[in-house]
Amino acid sequence: LAKTTQPISMDSYEGQEVNITCSHNNIATNDYITWYQQFPSQGPRFIIQGYKTKVTNEVASLFIPADRKSSTLSLPRVSLSDTAVYYCLVGDKGSSYKLIFGSGTRLLVRP
Amino acid sequence: NAGVTQTPKFQVLKTGQSMTLQCAQDMNHNSMYWYRQDPGMGLRLIYYSASEGTTDKGEVPNGYNVSRLNKREFSLRLESAAPSQTSVYFCASSFQGGDTEAFFGQGTRLTVV
Repeated sequence: LAKTTQPISMDSYEGQEVNITCSHNNIATNDYITWYQQFPSQGPRFIIQGYKTKVTNEVASLFIPADRKSSTLSLPRVSLSDTAVYYCLVGDKGSSYKLIFGSGTRLLVRP
Repeated sequence: NAGVTQTPKFQVLKTGQSMTLQCAQDMNHNSMYWYRQDPGMGLRLIYYSASEGTTDKGEVPNGYNVSRLNKREFSLRLESAAPSQTSVYFCASSFQGGDTEAFFGQGTRLTVV
């Protein structure tokens, strides 16, 4: 499994764009990058997944450079309700992939 | 649809007691997971079931046993609870092994005194 490294915490203000970068230097050819969001006292929630270049959905965008050794989750115009922990996961989507979570990035959005 | 349902939501055990945490999903998913989350920490995988009838150890399996009772249900048993097992336990399911979109229950907050 590719090891991931994320910042422990980030602060932002309402209305700003937030970019959280995840480093995964030993990502394998078949690995996908997946991001989850976890609010206090709740289970994690799937946000977005990608393999290369850019993926966008109604919640976020995921940018993956050509070498795929890192990825950036972008949250446009954050609000107080985006305060949460964000996890980056990397795995090959094969039957052996077990959804291993790291420590995540604790995002605090201030008024 | 209820999604993933965990029972109980809260539990206090004395050291040495046993208990079973129940998890059921109604999404016809093949794969199910048990995680624990200690205060301020990330989730750690305890056990995993890729499909009915199969289970596999995760990162922290010691002190736990699991049963994949049927496709819907995946239970986690603590045979002799220890204070170190005080944690929030999350169950999750995904359509199949390797599916990176998993759905989580609301968690069971367990305290062992």
